[in-house]
Amino acid sequence: DAKTTQPNSMESNEEEPVHLPCNHSTISGTDYIHWYRQLPSQGPEYVIHGLTSNVNNRMASLAIAEDRKSSTLILHRATLRDAAVYYCILRDGYGGSQGNLIFGKGTKLSVKP
Amino acid sequence: EPEVTQTPSHQVTQMGQEVILRCVPISNHLYFYWYRQILGQKVEFLVSFYNNEISEKSEIFDDQFSVERPDGSNFTLKIRSTKLEDSAMYFCASSKSPRILTENSNQPQHFGDGTRLSIL
Repeated sequence: DAKTTQPNSMESNEEEPVHLPCNHSTISGTDYIHWYRQLPSQGPEYVIHGLTSNVNNRMASLAIAEDRKSSTLILHRATLRDAAVYYCILRDGYGGSQGNLIFGKGTKLSVKP
Repeated sequence: EPEVTQTPSHQVTQMGQEVILRCVPISNHLYFYWYRQILGQKVEFLVSFYNNEISEKSEIFDDQFSVERPDGSNFTLKIRSTKLEDSAMYFCASSKSPRILTENSNQPQHFGDGTRLSIL
């Protein structure tokens, strides 16, 4: 799986939008971009994933650059519960591959009241 | 919403003893995984399991480790002779199969809340 680069930490104020960046300049054509997060003392939690088009779900939005070399996870209104480590992970989807996730250090998001 | 459940939440074991960590994946999922996270470090992949056999394993998953799906609902990780460095959080995860195996797709993995393994 190709490598991703994320800032070590970010801060946000409660009820403001948060944009979490991820660079993946060596992404291949069949790599999906996945985001997971890990709240304190919990297991990782799936947030969202996409291939080429921007994606929205009830948790977040994923904006993917046209050249796919970067992406941004958008939390529209941060809450205290969104304080977590956010991981951007590439996974090969070729032929229905359901391979393992390779976690980096992620971005630790702090949310201030 | 269906969840992956893991038991026990905390396991304390003497070094050299065998330990079995248990997981109940989401019922219609076909892919199963174990990961571990040593305190303060990254989440690391151990093994994946599909169709009653190991499909991938990492260098960490040596002969001391084994996995089993003993019945239709449980998925277990066994460590035969525990070492101090096996102390970690162990996470089980599961995912669905893609609708058509040849299509390019990725299914999200759903994680349990983990078992904290402490080796004394």
